[in-house]
Amino acid sequence: EIVLTQSPGTLSLSPGERATLSCRASQSVSSSYLAWYQQKPGQAPRLLIYGASSRATGIPDRFSGSGSGTDFTLTISRLEPEDFAVYYCQQYGSSQGTFGQGTKVEIK
Amino acid sequence: QVTLRESGPALVKPTQTLTLTCTFSGFSLSTSGMCVSWIRQPPGKALEWLARIDWDDDKYYSTSLKTRLTISKDTSKNQVVLTMTNMDPVDTATYYCARIPRIVGAYDYWGQGTLVTVSS
Repeated sequence: EIVLTQSPGTLSLSPGERATLSCRASQSVSSSYLAWYQQKPGQAPRLLIYGASSRATGIPDRFSGSGSGTDFTLTISRLEPEDFAVYYCQQYGSSQGTFGQGTKVEIK
Repeated sequence: QVTLRESGPALVKPTQTLTLTCTFSGFSLSTSGMCVSWIRQPPGKALEWLARIDWDDDKYYSTSLKTRLTISKDTSKNQVVLTMTNMDPVDTATYYCARIPRIVGAYDYWGQGTLVTVSS
């Protein structure tokens, strides 16, 4: 089973700043099957990025994904007030899917 | 449009079996490449992947929970059912179903989730 480790656990930033979130896999993940989600309190997760770097429908271009192999990154170029939330990475393997433990982006 | 909705008991007793139903619309689970998963989230904690069923009836389970889980589908009713045996208070969580087309490789639509509390 592939384990995804996200860092940092919490990111304290101000609106307008750049956020860089990391997701490291215990073994190589196909870039086609690495995704990022945003979750706000009381809501279901929302797909942001799939295929490591493709934005889902309706996602603003301040969100971008990159990486390959075992190291992936989600970047939010300029934080808007609505971007403060928890972010999860996820891999879709041939037999199982796993999620990272999440990174909380909070207002500094 | 695509929607998914989870249903089932809000409260179960320890050792009981939980049965959850995901009723969906806007797509068919008989379409090649279409899959549906169950994912849960204990209060204040991270998402945990539980199981997946594919359009061809292939089924996959979490390694740590596979002895307790069964996933099935009823294509005619547009439903996916998850059963979890021997429930314990640590299984208290919001349970989500979500769609994952293989061509996307990510969960593009989610239900709103259903909170299941395990308590005597």
